[in-house]
Amino acid sequence: SQKIEQNSEALNIQEGKTATLTCNYTNYSPAYLQWYRQDPGRGPVFLLLIRENEKEKRKERLKVTFDTTLKQSLFHITASQPADSATYLCALDINNAGNMLTFGGGTRLMVKP
Amino acid sequence: NAGVTQTPKFQVLKTGQSMTLQCAQDMNHEYMSWYRQDPGMGLRLIHYSVGAGITDQGEVPNGYNVSRSTTEDFPLRLLSAAPSQTSVYFCASRPGISGNTIYFGEGSWLTVV
Repeated sequence: SQKIEQNSEALNIQEGKTATLTCNYTNYSPAYLQWYRQDPGRGPVFLLLIRENEKEKRKERLKVTFDTTLKQSLFHITASQPADSATYLCALDINNAGNMLTFGGGTRLMVKP
Repeated sequence: NAGVTQTPKFQVLKTGQSMTLQCAQDMNHEYMSWYRQDPGMGLRLIHYSVGAGITDQGEVPNGYNVSRSTTEDFPLRLLSAAPSQTSVYFCASRPGISGNTIYFGEGSWLTVV
């Protein structure tokens, strides 16, 4: 079956460290992958999009990698802060037609001061 | 700029009742969609629309109807609510081009008793 997997266990790290979250997928060949942030009681907010021909994308303290051979994306937050604590979701357009954005279950990140 | 607006924020329904979740966007986006989010299940696509007058089913469409009479509005109807429809519902919109950012509403918490 087609799946998008994110670590369902919360990731706890110390302030200032780099947080690394993983998104693995099977049976897809997506043209791009997106990462979203979701705070409790709020809707997801877009963070980054990376295309299949891009190995790495950066935005301020955020970095995303996309390995289409491993079928994996890594999401890094450097110099993490307590304000980065949230759930992070990855999403793929499973049919590359723009109609069926499919989400992973998300990983909750807790950054401790 | 309001973005994507959902109403109501919270609703309790009795089994068998019907209701409509409203969604409006003021960004002139062609693409709109409805997701439900359940613990451990991530966001799952219910229905989507690529423009006024055009709708299609997503991953979990059963028990829900949609219509798209205008570009701005995309209501989600529950014809006969069931306890399995207890969930958080998110409406989202995006410019028509695939790969663009999706903008989510703040969510509607629905409990069916």
